[in-house]
This record gives sequence, structure tokens and C-alpha cells, in this order.
Amino acid sequence: GAVVSQHPSWVICKSGTSVKIECRSLDFQATTMFWYRQFPKQSLMLMATSNEGSKATYEQGVEKDKFLINHASLTLSTLTVTSAHPEDSSFYICSANRGLANYGYTFGSGTRLTVV
Amino acid sequence: GESVGLHLPTLSVQEGDNSIINCAYSNSASDYFIWYKQESGKGPQFIIDIRSNMDKRQGQRVTVLLNKTVKHLSLQIAATQPGDSAVYFCAEPKAGANNLFFGTGTRLTVIP
Repeated sequence: GAVVSQHPSWVICKSGTSVKIECRSLDFQATTMFWYRQFPKQSLMLMATSNEGSKATYEQGVEKDKFLINHASLTLSTLTVTSAHPEDSSFYICSANRGLANYGYTFGSGTRLTVV
Repeated sequence: GESVGLHLPTLSVQEGDNSIINCAYSNSASDYFIWYKQESGKGPQFIIDIRSNMDKRQGQRVTVLLNKTVKHLSLQIAATQPGDSAVYFCAEPKAGANNLFFGTGTRLTVIP
């Protein structure tokens, strides 16, 4: 079945530094990938839609200059949290859509970001 | 717009009992719903889906019921096992987009 690999699974960084999270579709091509953020005991909230070869689409309230998204190939999207602060600490999850009739969403395993 | 929410944030059941997790939605035009299971520290895992032209769909130990009249769907887990302990989300495609909108989630705890 479809597999989405997300790396790293966890990362601890210092305030002010940047962190890059990778999302790869291993056995299919994904023209669109999605980045979600999940705070403890809360649901997944869509941050942005990553489009291969074009600019990402950000949800309202998500700073595009802080959360840089690059979708340079059909199998890789990256999310870079720039100048991270403790309030950016969260669980970041990517997903990819195979474009099937049932949407075919597959999720990565998530990245736990802790900013200290 | 779409609104997928859950009635109960937590649910505890005895091992072997059946579990029922509920979800309400507000958009009568919603035509597709998905249930996900999320274990601690992991991404959501697809369980089962249902389209609006169906009232019921069964999988392995799971059944999803859809009541379009009251805009309600439920996930039933038969013979709940400790491995079923997780947070369960209902989700639907966001109107006018191809991403998913997630409900609040219900944490299911199975008591051995």
C-alpha cells in the first residue's frame, strides 16, 4: 500500500534556530501534500497545502515566512520551521493524496518538535 | 461550511465489549467520511470510510453507520481489544478543496 515517510520522528532545537521536516511518498507520486499541526489533546489542523512545482497554499493564520514549504519533486515536500520558538513546539504531520476516487489519503508518522 | 465534531472526548470500555464512537457534521452536502485511528506519537491510520449513498459499511471488527437525516455517523468496534486504545477521528474532505477536515477526536481507553 501507499507509504508516506516522514523524517525526523522527533527533534529538539534551540529557540531561534530552524528545523526542516521531510515528507516523502515512497511508492507513488504526489503532486499535492498537506502539512498538519497537532497540539496535545487536540485535533489535526491543516497548516498548508504543498503543490509540486508551485507555491504552497497556506491556511489563514499560518505565517508563510515562518513555515517554509518546498515541494521540489513529486515525492518530496519539506517544511522548515524558521526561527523556532517554544510555542512552535507541536506534532507536525504530513499527508499525501494519491488522487484516487476515495481521496486515498496517507499520513506520515509525524514529527514531534520541541523548541527549548 | 463543514463541521465535523464528536460528542464525547473520552470513552472507556471493558476489553471484549463493543465500542461506539460518535461524530456529528453540519454540512448536509457532505458526501464522504473517513474514520482514522491515531495512536500516541503516530500519524492517523485509515480505518474505514463511507459515502453518503450508503447507510452502513462493515470492515474487520468495525462498522460505520451514517444517518444523513440527523447528520450523524458512528464507528462501532466489536470485541474491543487493548490494541484499540487510541484517539479516533472522523474526517471529511474540506468543501472546495482536496484536503481533509478533522473532527475533535475521541480518546478510547480499553480496560483489561
